[in-house]
Amino acid sequence: EDQVTQSPEALRLQEGESSSLNCSYTVSGLRGLFWYRQDPGKGPEFLFTLYSAGEEKEKERLKATLTKKESFLHITAPKPEDSATYLCAVRNPNPDNTDKLIFGTGTRLQVFP
Amino acid sequence: DADVTQTPRNRITKTGKRIMLECSQTKGHDRMYWYRQDPGLGLRLIYYSFDVKDINKGEISDGYSVSRQAQAKFSLSLESAIPNQTALYFCATSYRGTKYFGPGTRLTVT
Repeated sequence: EDQVTQSPEALRLQEGESSSLNCSYTVSGLRGLFWYRQDPGKGPEFLFTLYSAGEEKEKERLKATLTKKESFLHITAPKPEDSATYLCAVRNPNPDNTDKLIFGTGTRLQVFP
Repeated sequence: DADVTQTPRNRITKTGKRIMLECSQTKGHDRMYWYRQDPGLGLRLIYYSFDVKDINKGEISDGYSVSRQAQAKFSLSLESAIPNQTALYFCATSYRGTKYFGPGTRLTVT
């Protein structure tokens, strides 16, 4: 069964304390892995798309990496404004081309000053 | 201005009532989606539409219906609301596989 698992469920960091969030997936024929940021009461905001193992993308303090079985979202020297829930999703090839995304349940990140 | 807007942002309704959630977009995307989000379950697809004449069921379509009034408008209806439809509802558009989400509607069914 196609599945996306994110860990940890919650992460508390001190400002400046770097860490990584994990997204492991089991899908047949990955056609893209997506990272989103979601603030409380708001819709998910697109961060990155990764397509092949070894690929990396960066944006400010965030860097996403991809292997054949998992992706990491590395947060370097986080600030309180990085506090949010980070969602991972994978796109699965479907015969009917639904653009179906399989979402994980997210990692809730809190960064304290 | 937001590219994907949803109305209402919050709604409390009673069991058995019909309710409509509306979504508009200015991104010019053909593909539109409705998701619901529940704690611990992640985002799940309710319905999707690739153009005005194309409507498809997602993984949890029972109890819901949709209407694509125009390229920019996609509404979700609950014909007879029930308490387990209490959730956050998100509309999204898509371009080259990337989804762009609206701000969400928090729906409570009492």
